[in-house]
Amino acid sequence: GIQVEQSPPDLILQEGANSTLRCNFSDSVNNLQWFHQNPWGQLINLFYIPSGTKQNGRLSATTVATERYSLLYISSSQTTDSGVYFCAVGWEYGNKLVFGAGTILRVKS
Amino acid sequence: KAGVTQTPRYLIKTRGQQVTLSCSPISGHRSVSWYQQTPGQGLQFLFEYFSETQRNKGNFPGRFSGRQFSNSRSEMNVSTLELGDSALYLCASSLMASGANVLTFGAGSRLTVL
Repeated sequence: GIQVEQSPPDLILQEGANSTLRCNFSDSVNNLQWFHQNPWGQLINLFYIPSGTKQNGRLSATTVATERYSLLYISSSQTTDSGVYFCAVGWEYGNKLVFGAGTILRVKS
Repeated sequence: KAGVTQTPRYLIKTRGQQVTLSCSPISGHRSVSWYQQTPGQGLQFLFEYFSETQRNKGNFPGRFSGRQFSNSRSEMNVSTLELGDSALYLCASSLMASGANVLTFGAGSRLTVL
């Protein structure tokens, strides 16, 4: 099956710093989403981005489908950005997603 | 607009028992997916329902089952619980069957099996 690798596994930032999270996937996909899981376990959808670039406030994402990777950029990080960031991909008809192992982000004040 | 509602939020069971978890999707959403999250295996797809039909199933034993009702609400059932079934069970709803389809997750049901 399709493999999803996220890097780095852990990241510690000082408040105000910028960061880039990476997601590599092993096959063609028709669905790619980024999620943020807060300390209470809630998964929040950040981007639906099977290709191209999107921006939402301090967050932006780029997916280069032909090279099978996606990047999530966080600028001017805040302590509330802490949590786990997941990349998830789909390739079949339907809404089945395969998740990466996640990147644990800790933002210190 | 109400989000995805999962009940119960927390529950404790003992080995051998069974459990039923409920998920009410966002109004108008017809697709409901279930995922299991554990520290060891991460987030894994369980199954997906659309218009009361199971469309996809993950690699879980037959003890895991689900269904969807005509109002799109979904339930999943785990029978003969094992210690390894302790997990956060997440439900997601989406508007369409496929395509440009954003998944919205509920807060989850945290199951502890003793």
